[in-house]
Amino acid sequence: DIQMTQSPSTLSASVGDRVTITCRASQSIVTSHLAWYQQKPGKAPKLLIYQASVLETGVPSRFSGSGSGTQFTLTISSLQPDDFATYYCQQYQSLWTFGQGTKVESK
Amino acid sequence: EVQLVESGGGLVKPGGSLRLSCAVSGFSFNNYNINWVRQAPGKGLEWVSSMSSSPNNYIWYADSVKGRFTISRDIAENSMYLQMNSLRAEDTAIYYCSRSLPQGTGDYWGQGALVTVSS
Repeated sequence: DIQMTQSPSTLSASVGDRVTITCRASQSIVTSHLAWYQQKPGKAPKLLIYQASVLETGVPSRFSGSGSGTQFTLTISSLQPDDFATYYCQQYQSLWTFGQGTKVESK
Repeated sequence: EVQLVESGGGLVKPGGSLRLSCAVSGFSFNNYNINWVRQAPGKGLEWVSSMSSSPNNYIWYADSVKGRFTISRDIAENSMYLQMNSLRAEDTAIYYCSRSLPQGTGDYWGQGALVTVSS
């Protein structure tokens, strides 16, 4: 099984900040089958990025993904009020595994 | 418009059974994998089960539910199901259905159905 570890678990930031979340896989994701989701309280997860760096249709361009192998990053270039949420990475190379989540909260 | 709508959640006693349904519309059900993901209260996302697209219909389960849960789909009814038996307190969660392309990830999700296992 591929395990996913995110850091940090919680991130305090202000509107306009550049935010970076890291996700590490226990083994190489050679296919780059890595996704990022945003989840708000009481709502279903929303797909932001797939294939490590491809933006889902309709997702603002301030979101970007990068990385390969075992280390991946989600970056929000300029945090907006609507971006305060919890973010999950997910590998889908071998079934599905999610990271434990990163909560982005207001500083 | 693509839609997935869960139903069938509720309160059940430990050892009991429950069947979740997910009605889908707006896409060709045959061409997609179907997936169930759950989220315990205040916790993260946990993959539960997947079924591959037709005609293969391969099935996979998380170890935590193997032997107790059964995933299925009914093409004629445009619905997917999760039959949950021998339920435990640790199965308490919101259960989400989602679709994905073969070798893909979930691009559309339902709103979730709450399952509470408690005496």
